[in-house]
Amino acid sequence: GNSVTQMEGPVTLSEEAFLTINCTYTATGYPSLFWYVQYPGEGLQLLLKATKADDKGSNKGFEATYRKETTSFHLEKGSVQVSDSAVYFCALSQETSGSRLTFGEGTQLTVNP
Amino acid sequence: NAGVTQTPKFRILKIGQSMTLQCAQDMNHNYMYWYRQDPGMGLKLIYYSVGAGITDKGEVPNGYNVSRSTTEYFPLRLELAAPSQTSVYFCASSYPARNEQFFGPGTRLTVL
Repeated sequence: GNSVTQMEGPVTLSEEAFLTINCTYTATGYPSLFWYVQYPGEGLQLLLKATKADDKGSNKGFEATYRKETTSFHLEKGSVQVSDSAVYFCALSQETSGSRLTFGEGTQLTVNP
Repeated sequence: NAGVTQTPKFRILKIGQSMTLQCAQDMNHNYMYWYRQDPGMGLKLIYYSVGAGITDKGEVPNGYNVSRSTTEYFPLRLELAAPSQTSVYFCASSYPARNEQFFGPGTRLTVL
């Protein structure tokens, strides 16, 4: 079956530091890949997505590239802000399964001033 | 648009009680989903629906039931609540083949 593995957290950074959160996946065929963000006390929001190999998703300074050869979708940001503190989830979906999302376990990010 | 709405926001149940978590969406999405999120864990799919009258099990359906009589509503029923069902429950919806899911704010349920 499908699975998503994220780097273990939590991650604590200082403001303006570089962020990488690793994500690898196992799936048959060609899944779509996502990063969702969850701010404290809220539901999940889509941060970015990529639907085919070599696509780069980007939003709010975050980027991730769909690497089929390494089955990875690592999240990066060049300079984090305190407001980026949240839980980040990597996920995949396939249309053949009703577009169901399979999530990683999430990575808690804390950015200190 | 209100998007995806869920009620209640919080609930405490006693073991053996039952309740229905409500979910509604006003985006005319065909697909709807129920997930649970346990502390420090990712989301697990409980049930999903690809249209009115059609539902299917996800990864962790035991102890839950769903129905989908209209496009807008997708209630989740807990029968005989157990402490293992203490969790945060999220409802989501999406267009077919669009992949992006829109999430509600969640219901925090505690079973004592």
